[in-house]
Amino acid sequence: GENVEQHPSTLSVQEGDSAVIKCTYSDSASNYFPWYKQELGKGPQLIIDIRSNVGEKKDQRIAVTLNKTAKHFSLHITETQPEDSAVYFCAASKGDSSYKLIFGSGTRLLVRP
Amino acid sequence: GAVVSQHPSRVICKSGTSVKIECRSLDFQATTMFWYRQFPKQSLMLMATSNEGSKATYEQGVEKDKFLINHASLTLSTLTVTSAHPEDSSFYICSAQRTGVVKLFFGSGTQLSVL
Repeated sequence: GENVEQHPSTLSVQEGDSAVIKCTYSDSASNYFPWYKQELGKGPQLIIDIRSNVGEKKDQRIAVTLNKTAKHFSLHITETQPEDSAVYFCAASKGDSSYKLIFGSGTRLLVRP
Repeated sequence: GAVVSQHPSRVICKSGTSVKIECRSLDFQATTMFWYRQFPKQSLMLMATSNEGSKATYEQGVEKDKFLINHASLTLSTLTVTSAHPEDSSFYICSAQRTGVVKLFFGSGTQLSVL
């Protein structure tokens, strides 16, 4: 089955710096890759997603890149702010009729003021 | 945006009792809902896929008689933890797939503590 690996497990950056989180997936049939932000005691919130027919997608300070050949995708957050501090999860789906998501292990991002 | 409501947000129960968690899609119809379990500082583990009007599909290792799932309508799925034990204590999260849309939207989660 699909396996998603995520690195790093923790990331500490200075406010204003950029943060990059990387994921790899095992199933070449995966074609949908969302990123979620989870704050303590809350459910995950979708922040950006990308499909396999696109190499890059950007939404203000957040961008996601996808390398289908290498089966890598990454989340880039620029001009980080303290409120960006949270746990970030990548996920992958084969996009079949149920769009079942397999999650990475999560990255705890701390943005230091 | 799509809103998924999950209740209760927190429940404490005695060992041996059953607990029901509700997941509702408030402003859209959800053909499919998913139930996840999350232990502290760990990732979300898929427990089961719930399709409206049919039996849920459980992931390997998840006891279907322990975790009863009902998806009776396009806006409501319930998870019942039967005869709960302390090891069932966890954060349970549902998500809903809007019919015809790829994106999944998550509920706010339920923290279950079994004493």
